[in-house]
This record gives sequence, C-alpha cells and structure tokens, in this order.
Amino acid sequence: ILNVEQSPQSLHVQEGDSTNFTCSFPSSNFYALHWYRWETAKSPEALFVMTLNGDEKKKGRISATLNTKEGYSYLYIKGSQPEDSATYLCAFILFSWGKLQFGAGTQVVVTP
Amino acid sequence: DGGITQSPKYLFRKEGQNVTLSCEQNLNHDAMYWYRQDPGQGLRLIYYSQIVNDFQKGDIAEGYSVSREKKESFPLTVTSAQKNPTAFYLCASSMGQGETQYFGPGTRLLVL
Repeated sequence: ILNVEQSPQSLHVQEGDSTNFTCSFPSSNFYALHWYRWETAKSPEALFVMTLNGDEKKKGRISATLNTKEGYSYLYIKGSQPEDSATYLCAFILFSWGKLQFGAGTQVVVTP
Repeated sequence: DGGITQSPKYLFRKEGQNVTLSCEQNLNHDAMYWYRQDPGQGLRLIYYSQIVNDFQKGDIAEGYSVSREKKESFPLTVTSAQKNPTAFYLCASSMGQGETQYFGPGTRLLVL
C-alpha cells in the first residue's frame, strides 16, 4: 500500500477567505490523481481527474494544480462559502495498479 | 434517475454472524468497488470488480467476500472471520478502472 498524504487534516476558514491544501503522493509510475468532495450525510462526489504534469482544473471557485514530478497537488477554494464545508479527498493511481489509493482527507469548515 | 444505491443504511451484526451489504447501480458501469472507512483514515479498498463474473482482492480483503453475477450488482458479505467489522462501507462504480468513481450513500455496520 502506497501512502497518500493530505495536509492539513482540518482547517477552519472565515467566509469570504481563500484557502488551499495539499495532497502528496509517490511520483514514480504516476497515472492519474482524483479529487473528491464529501459533504456530511452525502456521498463523495468527483471534482477533478488530473493526469498531466502541470494540469490545472477549475470548477466554479474551486481549482486544482498537479505536479507529478515532485508528487503533489494543491486544491484551492477562492472566496470560501459555508456550502464549501466538506471533507476533500484526493486519490492517486499507479499505472500498473489501476486502483485508487485514497488519502485521509482535509476537513474544511467555513464559518459565516 | 441514474445512480448507486446501498442498503441497508444501518446494519447490526451479532457475534459469529455473516451479513451481506447490497450495492446496485444503473449507470451501466463495468467496474465496481467496495471501500471501508474508519475514523481518521482514508478509504481502503476491500474488493473490486472490473467486469461481470470477475473480481479482485483489494488491500484489506480478509474476512470479506463478494460476488458479481450481474453487471448492476456487487454485494459484499462480511463474514464471521472479520474480527473488527464496525465501520462505514461505501460502494462505488466507474466506467472503467481508474476513471471517475461514483459513490453510493454508504452502510454503517455495527456489532452487537
């Protein structure tokens, strides 16, 4: 089992502030990185699937970048809103495995 | 209305009992997965299936069994050999292995 590290484990953000957090993964034999958002009492839902070094993806106020050479991805939330409160999971795939390895997640709490 | 359903929402297991968690999808996805979540940990893969009548062990398969007789269905049995079954179980599906996964609402298993 290869480790995916997410940091911080949790963070509190004031409404309107921007924030970002990290997903670190082994950089060799990289195939793809996924980001999911998991709101309380709901199912995890996909945000992004990223495959190329230097990839940048955006969905509304949420964006992500990918550096496969150094093995990290950042997720950014611009102008946080209470509805952004959720646990954000990243997961990566090694080409030879094809299975997602999930990190423990970053829990984001946005307070009004 | 396409999606993944899991039942029951809560399940209680007595000592020495086998219990089966249901997972059904109508997304016409080939691949299906079972994950377990424990507090403070990422999702861990129990079993996965890339196609009907085929399945593979994940990282923590001991004490669990699955079947994939139909494309839509991937039930998970928690056997009496699983000594620490209390956890939250998530089922997911995807078009193919490594692609975006779509999750069900989960089943929480508790031991009496």
